[in-house]
Amino acid sequence: ILNVEQSPQSLHVQEGDSTNFTCSFPSSNFYALHWYRWETAKSPEALFVMTLNGDEKKKGRISATLNTKEGYSYLYIKGSQPEDSATYLCAFKGAGNMLTFGGGTRLMVKP
Amino acid sequence: EPEVTQTPSHQVTQMGQEVILRCVPISNHLYFYWYRQILGQKVEFLVSFYNNEISEKSEIFDDQFSVERPDGSNFTLKIRSTKLEDSAMYFCASSELGGSSYEQYFGPGTRLTVT
Repeated sequence: ILNVEQSPQSLHVQEGDSTNFTCSFPSSNFYALHWYRWETAKSPEALFVMTLNGDEKKKGRISATLNTKEGYSYLYIKGSQPEDSATYLCAFKGAGNMLTFGGGTRLMVKP
Repeated sequence: EPEVTQTPSHQVTQMGQEVILRCVPISNHLYFYWYRQILGQKVEFLVSFYNNEISEKSEIFDDQFSVERPDGSNFTLKIRSTKLEDSAMYFCASSELGGSSYEQYFGPGTRLTVT
């Protein structure tokens, strides 16, 4: 059974704070790591697909890094805004097409 | 922007009844998936579908479950005889191709409640 873990489970920050959270995953049989942003009652929104060790991806104020040798990825949000409030999910992809999800980090940004 | 759609948004059914959850994947995508999230638990993979057949399935996807692409646009998940433990949010997803770098695009989900 693959173990994908995210920490923290939830996070409260003030508007303007920068924040980061972690996804840990198996370092063997790694093909890709997906990050999603999920607001309640909406579709999970694809943020990044990361495949190479050392990958860094950026979309606006959100960026992510990947370390496949030690099995972790960080998601960073610079200058958090209330609209960043959501659950952030990571998902590990091995040899097949199945995604194995972490439990998510629920971010709440207070104005 | 193209998106995956799912109907209904909420389905209530009695234990033992059959349900069909419907999805319309993004039109040029070739791979289709079903996932589910039981309340308070992680999102779990059920099945992937390519070229009109199941390409991968999890242990959860037993004989009670089936998938079908009845026409060129719809992708359905059928649960033959629902159990209380089938209550969950069911997500459909699609991807252009099946390689590592391809994103899976998710629909908004169908909340299934089995009473």
